[in-house]
Amino acid sequence: QKEVEQNSGPLSVPEGAIASLNCTYSDRGSQSFFWYRQYSGKSPELIMSIYSNGDKEDGRFTAQLNKASQYVSLLIRDSQPSDSATYLCAGRIIRGAQKLVFGQGTRLTINP
Amino acid sequence: EADIYQTPRYLVIGTGKKITLECSQTMGHDKMYWYQQDPGMELHLIHYSYGVNSTEKGDLSSESTVSRIRTEHFPLTLESARPSHTSQYLCATQTEGTGQGLNYGYTFGSGTRLTVV
Repeated sequence: QKEVEQNSGPLSVPEGAIASLNCTYSDRGSQSFFWYRQYSGKSPELIMSIYSNGDKEDGRFTAQLNKASQYVSLLIRDSQPSDSATYLCAGRIIRGAQKLVFGQGTRLTINP
Repeated sequence: EADIYQTPRYLVIGTGKKITLECSQTMGHDKMYWYQQDPGMELHLIHYSYGVNSTEKGDLSSESTVSRIRTEHFPLTLESARPSHTSQYLCATQTEGTGQGLNYGYTFGSGTRLTVV
């Protein structure tokens, strides 16, 4: 089982709708989690981080963490075509000496 | 303004050549990482360093080597390039800190796209 797992997609969402991206992790001791956005041919950029159970909102983005169920999600409200990208989930795995472990990424397409 | 720099951005080189991909950062971070990523595929950790004179191999076996003589510099070298080395190489630093949240997140460089012909 991968330490951080994502549905690779592709996920297709109409413009203006809510895009929901999900990620599960296997190490119950994992702490901080991060969502990165990566446009085709570009490097990943950090968009959200979360370490406490519950929701964290930043503009159109909401990260959700449920430690009991070991999942992390990212909601994108009012999706725009510019949100079309691959979204990477990463967790800070304690036994990995603070390295981040990345999921395989979910490719998101927003249809105008 | 980028705080982590990778050069070159693009490189096309012949089989058998020795190449060094440069990665420099101005943030003073101890932890640095090299990832390999094929188009549309996941990131693979190939090397990392937790400080000067500290280097470790990552999860993906790689024929490359790294060095960390200075905090700000973490070059990756391929002694003899092969077509199988064609890929994008991403360098990253990790934010330090005793708290949580954005601490420990990575900042990536712009990457080097390597093509071996």
